[in-house]
Amino acid sequence: DAKTTQPPSMDCAEGRAANLPCNHSTISGNEYVYWYRQIHSQGPQYIIHGLKNNETNEMASLIITEDRKSSTLILPHATLRDTAVYYCIVTKANSGYALNFGKGTSLLVTP
Amino acid sequence: SAVISQKPSRDICQRGTSLTIQCQVDSQVTMMFWYRQQPGQSLTLIATANQGSEATYESGFVIDKFPISRPNLTFSTLTVSNMSPEDSSIYLCSVAQGANYGYTFGSGTRLTVV
Repeated sequence: DAKTTQPPSMDCAEGRAANLPCNHSTISGNEYVYWYRQIHSQGPQYIIHGLKNNETNEMASLIITEDRKSSTLILPHATLRDTAVYYCIVTKANSGYALNFGKGTSLLVTP
Repeated sequence: SAVISQKPSRDICQRGTSLTIQCQVDSQVTMMFWYRQQPGQSLTLIATANQGSEATYESGFVIDKFPISRPNLTFSTLTVSNMSPEDSSIYLCSVAQGANYGYTFGSGTRLTVV
């Protein structure tokens, strides 16, 4: 799996958009970008994933650059409950492949 | 998406004993994955469990220490054997559901070895 690089921590004011970057310069053509988050002491929660097109769901938007070497997860209106560690993971979309977690970005949403 | 029931949610164990963690999935899945999360750290894959065959362990994890069973397509257990305080971690199971679906995680087992 391609390696990902994320900033260790970020702050965001409540109600503002949180933009979490991820670099994955060695991504291969059949690898997807997945985003998960882990709120303290809970199991990781799936947020969104994409291959090359931008994706949006009820939780977030995923913007993938045209060369696919980086992406940004956008939480449009961050709340205090969005405080968590966010993991960007690149992997082949096949149920036989486990997710390999990096260190992630610790997002703190402040009042 | 699949729902995973993981038990126990937490336990405090004496060193030298063993603990078996169970994961029950509400649908049939091919692969199940077991992770360890040490305090303040990210998740580390322990092994991949495929029904009907021996689990595949990652480097640094061995079957004698972390035996895994996978008797059917909805259930798996992970045993932490001969525990020491260094085994104090959160242990999580996970399943994948095909090419276009995310992975689902259990709520985790918080293990403290004293």
